[in-house]
Amino acid sequence: AQRVTQPEKLLSVFKGAPVELKCNYSYSGSPELFWYVQYSRQRLQLLLRHISRESIKGFTADLNKGETSFHLKKPFAQEEDSAMYYCALVDNTDKLIFGTGTRLQVFP
Amino acid sequence: GAGVSQTPSNKVTEKGKYVELRCDPISGHTALYWYRQSLGQGPEFLIYFQGTGAADDSGLPNDRFFAVRPEGSVSTLKIQRTERGDSAVYLCASSLGGVSNEQFFGPGTRLTVL
Repeated sequence: AQRVTQPEKLLSVFKGAPVELKCNYSYSGSPELFWYVQYSRQRLQLLLRHISRESIKGFTADLNKGETSFHLKKPFAQEEDSAMYYCALVDNTDKLIFGTGTRLQVFP
Repeated sequence: GAGVSQTPSNKVTEKGKYVELRCDPISGHTALYWYRQSLGQGPEFLIYFQGTGAADDSGLPNDRFFAVRPEGSVSTLKIQRTERGDSAVYLCASSLGGVSNEQFFGPGTRLTVL
């Protein structure tokens, strides 16, 4: 079955520390993966997608097919990065499957 | 322009009642999605419309759930004979079409079934 796993419910770091939000997936074939973010009192929004290989707000995510991972990274966390982060995969019926999310807390 | 809107923002109902949840997508977006998000979970796909037709309703949990989009714009998610387990946040998203296009989410409707 196709699945997205985010093993950490909560990740707490201090401002300026590096951040890595883990995402592992199960999918046969070439996956299409996304990171969505939900800031406090705001709606869910797209952060980045692997096909565009972009950096948004200092975040990057690299697809590692060998490890079936798509971890989200930022070298220096900021307080405004505090939010709920969801990894998502397009399944073989063209539906988005979301992980359970990781709450990132960045302390001053 | 305006983003995706959903009404009501909160709905409290009693077990067994019927509820309707409304979604207004971004103008010009042909694709519309409904998701359900239970506490501590990510959004779970329910149904996808392309235009007026339901292209994929495989996520609807049972026949108490139904959704329409009669004119290819506004959509209504209908839940009959609500159960306590239906309590969740119901999210709507729209896009230009195709799952690879960015989905723009609404604020959600929090449904509580007592």
